[in-house]
Amino acid sequence: DADVTQTPRNRITKTGKRIMLECSQTKGHDRMYWYRQDPGLGLRLIYYSFDVKDINKGEISDGYSVSRQAQAKFSLSLESAIPNQTALYFCATAPARLAGEQFFGPGTRLTVL
Amino acid sequence: GNSVTQMEGPVTLSEEAFLTINCTYTATGYPSLFWYVQYPGEGLQLLLKATKADDKGSNKGFEATYRKETTSFHLEKGSVQVSDSAVYFCALSERDSSYKLIFGSGTRLLVRP
Repeated sequence: DADVTQTPRNRITKTGKRIMLECSQTKGHDRMYWYRQDPGLGLRLIYYSFDVKDINKGEISDGYSVSRQAQAKFSLSLESAIPNQTALYFCATAPARLAGEQFFGPGTRLTVL
Repeated sequence: GNSVTQMEGPVTLSEEAFLTINCTYTATGYPSLFWYVQYPGEGLQLLLKATKADDKGSNKGFEATYRKETTSFHLEKGSVQVSDSAVYFCALSERDSSYKLIFGSGTRLLVRP
């Protein structure tokens, strides 16, 4: 089984709808991250969490919210989806002491019509 | 602010050709440097890393040397294979408590038989 899983893998939704992307990990890592990937822009950090009580904004958090329900689960929500949130979304985890070594899920392709 | 600049792709090579993908960075401190690879339909995987000046990271025949004087971390491979076709991301991580990754825009490599 994959160490970092994301659900759903693909989602098409309409403008204004609320949508949640879920991430689960079995690696036992404390740190979890949400990124979005757009063509030609690389990955940009949306939110990150060091533990259940520690949530931090990344560089592009506007329009998104997150919930860290447990050490193993980190969800990303779009409260009211808009077309420019169409992107590939990745969850990643990291152990506490290895700077920069992150383990990525397979991604969720989100299309907002 | 910190940033990573990669050469634009796509890079198209014949099998067994020599590969170089250029990466330069801007950082206020002494970052760790990384190359991640994304195969089609998958999440990113760590390819190699270097944590201090003059370190050489290597894996699967790929190499990159941390050059502080030129703020560069170019990726090289002596003989590419079709299976190396992927998108390659250069990234840095500052030595602060967040261990956030800052990615370049990615370079697509296509290796033809």
